[in-house]
Amino acid sequence: KQEVTQIPAALSVPEGENLVLNCSFTDSAIYNLQWFRQDPGKGLTSLLLIQSSQREQTSGRLNASLDKSSGRSTLYIAASQPGDSATYLCAVRPGSGYALNFGKGTSLLVTP
Amino acid sequence: EAGVAQSPRYKIIEKRQSVAFWCNPISGHATLYWYQQILGQGPKLLIQFQNNGVVDDSQLPKDRFSAERLKGVDSTLKIQPAKLEDSAVYLCASSLGYDGYTFGSGTRLTVV
Repeated sequence: KQEVTQIPAALSVPEGENLVLNCSFTDSAIYNLQWFRQDPGKGLTSLLLIQSSQREQTSGRLNASLDKSSGRSTLYIAASQPGDSATYLCAVRPGSGYALNFGKGTSLLVTP
Repeated sequence: EAGVAQSPRYKIIEKRQSVAFWCNPISGHATLYWYQQILGQGPKLLIQFQNNGVVDDSQLPKDRFSAERLKGVDSTLKIQPAKLEDSAVYLCASSLGYDGYTFGSGTRLTVV
């Protein structure tokens, strides 16, 4: 069974800092990996999708990397802003099937 | 493009009562999912539909939960009778193939 772990569980940083969120998974036979953002009381918004054959994806200040063989992904956020405060979830789609396996998330607080 | 619609947004019921949630996926998305997200946890798949048919319901507590997808479009998730541990956010999502995963805003259920 695929297990997805996210570290740290919570993070508080001052505005302007660069930061890294970590995600690890136990079964490397994945189809893709996604990073989502969840604001309080809201649904999930997809940030970045990395296919199993890719090493990284970038969108604006966000960069996600994937090392499938070691079962790890990182989400890098550059020049953090208070508006980045949210919970960030990592999800893995297995090699067969459509359903996602999620980590518990990292709760990020960016202070002005 | 309209997103995934869910209703109601919030629901408070007493234990042993019944409740139903509704989801309308993105037009053309054949695959529909219901996830349960307990506070502080990542979403957990309850059931996955492909058109009208159930693909995966292995984690659905079938003694109290039921779900259906009408004509391959809208879906309802029902809980009867509800327990205190069913308090969670119920997220509906739809996808087009292996990518294009979109979540609704969710229904927050509180069982008292």
